[in-house]
Amino acid sequence: GDSVTQMEGPVTLSEEAFLTINCTYTATGYPSLFWYVQYPGEGLQLLLKATKADDKGSNKGFEATYRKETTSFHLEKGSVQVSDSAVYFCALSDLSGGSYIPTFGRGTSLIVHP
Amino acid sequence: DVKVTQSSRYLVKRTGEKVFLECVQDMDHENMFWYRQDPGLGLRLIYFSYDVKMKEKGDIPEGYSVSREKKERFSLILESASTNQTSMYLCASSLSSGNTYNEQFFGPGTRLTVL
Repeated sequence: GDSVTQMEGPVTLSEEAFLTINCTYTATGYPSLFWYVQYPGEGLQLLLKATKADDKGSNKGFEATYRKETTSFHLEKGSVQVSDSAVYFCALSDLSGGSYIPTFGRGTSLIVHP
Repeated sequence: DVKVTQSSRYLVKRTGEKVFLECVQDMDHENMFWYRQDPGLGLRLIYFSYDVKMKEKGDIPEGYSVSREKKERFSLILESASTNQTSMYLCASSLSSGNTYNEQFFGPGTRLTVL
């Protein structure tokens, strides 16, 4: 079946540091890929998405590129802020058994220090 | 602003009680989902529904049931709560338009403690 693997956290950075959170996937079909973010005490919200190979999703300074050849969708940000501290989930959506059932990674906690 | 609301943010119940968690969305979405979120395990799908009165088991349906009598409302039921059901429960909804790129919209979560 489909699966998503994310790097384990927590990832701890100083403000203005460069961020990479790795995400790789396995899928039987041609999935869409997503990054969701969960701020403390809240539900998940979509951060960015990409629907086909070589697409780049971007939002709030975060970027991720759909790499079919390496089955990856790594999240990057050039300069993190304290307010980026949250849990980040990589996810895919694929047609499975006639339904588009999303598959989530386990989440990566990001802690940004001033 | 689109919204998914859950009936309670925090809930404390006793072992053996019947527990209802309610979720309402105002976006006319066909699909609705219930997940539980536990540290180190990420999100695990309990049940989902792609239409009124339709339901499908997810990865961990044991000990849970669901009800979807109206399009906007999806209820999760714990018939007899147990301590291992202490968790954060997240509801989500999405459009169903025959493609894979529809994002999910999540509620704020209900933190359930079973004593």
